[in-house]
Amino acid sequence: NAGVTQTPKFRVLKTGQSMTLLCAQDMNHEYMYWYRQDPGMGLRLIHYSVGEGTTAKGEVPDGYNVSRLKKQNFLLGLESAAPSQTSVYFCASSPLRGRETQYFGPGTRLLVL
Amino acid sequence: GNSVTQMEGPVTLSEEAFLTINCTYTATGYPSLFWYVQYPGEGLQLLLKATKADDKGSNKGFEATYRKETTSFHLEKGSVQVSDSAVYFCALTYAGGTSYGKLTFGQGTILTVHP
Repeated sequence: NAGVTQTPKFRVLKTGQSMTLLCAQDMNHEYMYWYRQDPGMGLRLIHYSVGEGTTAKGEVPDGYNVSRLKKQNFLLGLESAAPSQTSVYFCASSPLRGRETQYFGPGTRLLVL
Repeated sequence: GNSVTQMEGPVTLSEEAFLTINCTYTATGYPSLFWYVQYPGEGLQLLLKATKADDKGSNKGFEATYRKETTSFHLEKGSVQVSDSAVYFCALTYAGGTSYGKLTFGQGTILTVHP
């Protein structure tokens, strides 16, 4: 099992550019989450999904969109990147039973200039 | 709303020293409590958890006890190693209902252990 994987590992964008971060899990988990990690602020939830075809807003959703067309994949999109979106992005997943324990990917470091 | 507060870091210790990282929380009802660890360049890993009052979570020599009366979940280890150098996050969630397993994290505490 690869667990939770994220693509890409690192990316530099210019202000206004768009990009999509891909998260994939091979554990057949129902729930998936996108977090951002900023210094001194811990992790904050951006969006989450409770199953294929469903998404919901988390704590800091503005400027991001998500899609979960397949159960194993959860995509995070930035339509028009801003410097405030410079961060490390983590994807996580959890099973339907025992969903309070999450499994994290290795992270994507994004720099917006 | 829910919140988690961790002690300010960074924490620097010598090998074999005793470690305490304080964590307190604000939440309604009975949340589950967690400690996650992030080693350099990696994602977060679950270190230990406790799901009800007075439960003690333990793993790799680390322990934490769910204290509802003081709303605390302090992390302890009797003798730290250089390999314990990492960032430690306290977190909470609710096991059921509409929480969907969403975690609320503290700000993280950087631990550095010197030989």
